[in-house]
Amino acid sequence: QKEVEQNSGPLSVPEGAIASLNCTYSDRVSQSFFWYRQYSGKSPELIMSIYSNGDKEDGRFTAQLNKASQYVSLLIRDSQPSDSATYLCAGLLYGGSQGNLIFGKGTKLSVKP
Amino acid sequence: GAGVSQSPSNKVTEKGKDVELRCDPISGHTALYWYRQSLGQGLEFLIYFQGNSAPDKSGLPSDRFSAERTGGSVSTLTIQRTQQEDSAVYLCASSLTNDPLSGSYEQYFGPGTRLTVT
Repeated sequence: QKEVEQNSGPLSVPEGAIASLNCTYSDRVSQSFFWYRQYSGKSPELIMSIYSNGDKEDGRFTAQLNKASQYVSLLIRDSQPSDSATYLCAGLLYGGSQGNLIFGKGTKLSVKP
Repeated sequence: GAGVSQSPSNKVTEKGKDVELRCDPISGHTALYWYRQSLGQGLEFLIYFQGNSAPDKSGLPSDRFSAERTGGSVSTLTIQRTQQEDSAVYLCASSLTNDPLSGSYEQYFGPGTRLTVT
């Protein structure tokens, strides 16, 4: 299993719906996670971090961490066309030399008007 | 305050030439990271600095790549004898620390340098 895995998508949702983005991780990844949004042609932008089991809400975004099942998700409520982007999940790598942060390949989200 | 800045934003160079890419991290951030992203690909880690030291250089793809950081601030990524496969967006990020126990290791990215080797 790769350290951090994401479905590449594309995930298509209608405007106003809830978009659910998922990420699974291996035993080598610690339970601190970050979600980045990357618009086409732009650099990644940090939108959420989560360090403990459970939910964390920030505006329309909710990050969920389930340590038992080793997955982390990002929910986007009331999705807007402007949310269309690639979402990157990243976790801390135990004993990692990569500056400790390991990124998934990203899930492309498309919100249709 | 100012975010991470990178220069140049775009660089077109001929195969075989050397290039230097610059990164200026967020003020006060002790950790600095270099990544590259090829078209449609994920982030490829290259190297990170804690202060002026690079604990691990194994992410650099070949010995044509080198990086340095001086004064705990600005970093330069140098690619010697560029090849076409070096064409990519080179991204720099910084974080307050690189210590997972500190809780201040969120990485913030600069706008990137798009390198095209012809």
